[in-house]
Amino acid sequence: KNEVEQSPQNLTAQEGEFITINCSYSVGISALHWLQQHPGGGIVSLFMLSSGKKKHGRLIATINIQEKHSSLHITASHPRDSAVYICAIYSPDSNYQLIWGAGTKLIIKP
Amino acid sequence: DAGVIQSPRHEVTEMGQEVTLRCKPISGHDYLFWYRQTMMRGLELLIYFNNNVPIDDSGMPEDRFSAKMPNASFSTLKIQPSEPRDSAVYFCASSFGNSPLHFGNGTRLTVT
Repeated sequence: KNEVEQSPQNLTAQEGEFITINCSYSVGISALHWLQQHPGGGIVSLFMLSSGKKKHGRLIATINIQEKHSSLHITASHPRDSAVYICAIYSPDSNYQLIWGAGTKLIIKP
Repeated sequence: DAGVIQSPRHEVTEMGQEVTLRCKPISGHDYLFWYRQTMMRGLELLIYFNNNVPIDDSGMPEDRFSAKMPNASFSTLKIQPSEPRDSAVYFCASSFGNSPLHFGNGTRLTVT
């Protein structure tokens, strides 16, 4: 079993829909990353969080440490949000080794 | 700041040739990471540096791979000799302390 599980693997939605991508992990963490990889391949770090909630524009990331679960939400989704969204964790013993989820491929149709 | 700059964007080479990938981290960042991304294995950490010193190179696949960081503004990842199984996208990322990572656009390497 992977230490980081994302769901869904693939998600197709209409423009304007509220999007939720989930990430569950099975080990203790010191921080969790949400990253975005566009079709061209570039990777952008969206959030790094260790508790609570962070918001940037239409993106919201939450984390529940007790439940070992994080969610990434996109409000008012737009075709330019189409990308692969990756969850990755730092465990306290990982010494900067990120443990990566498999990613969620999001397609937003106009 | 221009962000993390990697070069070249694409590299096509023949098996056996030496390949050098380059990375310029964001100024002021003290950590630099080299990752490799393949369909089969996803993103893998190859090596990372702190203040130009290699800290963990356990992800480097074999002796054909080497990485250097001669100063705070430049790092190279070298493959010699290259093999077709090295074909992948290689990402460089930098950070300051444990702040979020900033990735370069990657170098797509094809070894024929």
